[in-house]
Amino acid sequence: QSVLTQPPSVSAAPGQKVTISCSGSSSNIGNTYVSWYQQLPGTAPKLLIYDNDERPSGIPDRFSGSKSGTSATLGITGLQTGDEADYYCGTWDPSLSAVVFGGGTRLTVL
Amino acid sequence: QVQLQESGPGLVKPSETLSLTCAVSGYSISSGYYWGWIRQPPGKGLEWIGSIYHSGSNYYSPSLKSRVTISVDTSKNQFSLKLNSVTAADTAMYYCARCFGGGGPRWYFDLWGRGTLVTVSS
Repeated sequence: QSVLTQPPSVSAAPGQKVTISCSGSSSNIGNTYVSWYQQLPGTAPKLLIYDNDERPSGIPDRFSGSKSGTSATLGITGLQTGDEADYYCGTWDPSLSAVVFGGGTRLTVL
Repeated sequence: QVQLQESGPGLVKPSETLSLTCAVSGYSISSGYYWGWIRQPPGKGLEWIGSIYHSGSNYYSPSLKSRVTISVDTSKNQFSLKLNSVTAADTAMYYCARCFGGGGPRWYFDLWGRGTLVTVSS
């Protein structure tokens, strides 16, 4: 059971938009910053979003992040088949003194 | 270009110690950042193991703290993981990563190694 809760899977058609939620608590997301990672099949995770809504250099603006209260959301617009991957949210939990991740969401582009 | 490369045995016997090293190139560990280990059991999600600063300051996962040691060797520009008393539940892909953080509210992993699969089996 992960500290952060994500839907196991989401799907959408090419060109469409999808959102992935990450639900936490006041002990973690409510008082810290959220990051998001993309893990393509057979590869290492890659940082997509940090500090809730910042994109590292090289990440297209099709990817966006937001946070409200104890939840965070990753948005992906203009879906491409190459976006099919597992997506993870993560943050620091001061009450646990630990980095925590969500269980991951598998995105299928139909 | 900063790169991280994990190395170590791919097979460890139950009750023994898992030892991995992460070699960093293109960036001096002593220049800053925390450096950490994350693992992923086959078909499952990510689990943070712990992170260390070049000074030796470290943070460990509470669930693994009793079995984990992470150390840093600035002369070789690498850091290492030791996990003792392993069981089959420790079978996973082990990733090393560069961490922005340090116990504060901002913590993320901006660069990752390719990972190394460690199987615990007799």
